[in-house]
Amino acid sequence: AQTVTQSQPEMSVQEAETVTLSCTYDTSESDYYLFWYKQPPSRQMILVIRQEAYKQQNATENRFSVNFQKAAKSFSLKISDSQLGDAAMYFCAFNIYYQLIWGAGTKLIIKP
Amino acid sequence: ETGVTQTPRHLVMGMTNKKSLKCEQHLGHNAMYWYKQSAKKPLELMFVYNFKEQTENNSVPSRFSPECPNSSHLFLHLHTLQPEDSALYLCASSQEGSWNANEQFFGPGTRLTVL
Repeated sequence: AQTVTQSQPEMSVQEAETVTLSCTYDTSESDYYLFWYKQPPSRQMILVIRQEAYKQQNATENRFSVNFQKAAKSFSLKISDSQLGDAAMYFCAFNIYYQLIWGAGTKLIIKP
Repeated sequence: ETGVTQTPRHLVMGMTNKKSLKCEQHLGHNAMYWYKQSAKKPLELMFVYNFKEQTENNSVPSRFSPECPNSSHLFLHLHTLQPEDSALYLCASSQEGSWNANEQFFGPGTRLTVL
């Protein structure tokens, strides 16, 4: 079965500090993409970062980076220098053909 | 308008009503999606339209009926819904076959409440 598990329903971090959100997944496919999406309160879901499974190098987008461990099927998101605007639900997902398989999300709280 | 738009943003309906949700994408994409988002649950894919053809329906109850008249517009027709259908309904679009496969762009959603 294709599944995504986000084991942390909620995380909190002090502003300016670093936080890591965990994600594990299960698939028998060898070629796929992994995604982290962000959904701020009452705002649209937007893509944060994407990783291609055949690439060993971890993706980075400004303050956001991933730790991709393909053998362990782990795909964590690190947010450095956390800002108040980072407060949101974060969803991990991977694609099977045209379909995205989603985790249940982690609510990130930023403490000022 | 830019991106993906959805109307209405909020909808309250009785169990016997008929209503429709509308989605429009201004990105030139060739695939559109309906998702149901309930609290503390993964997004549930309801329908996929690729090149205007429905390719997935994931065993959605027949009280939900999609319509895709062209590659830019997607509707979700609702009738005789149940209270457990109350949720946020998200529309998304993507460009299938492109190098950035499966990056989906989302609308703001319609918050549906069924009384």
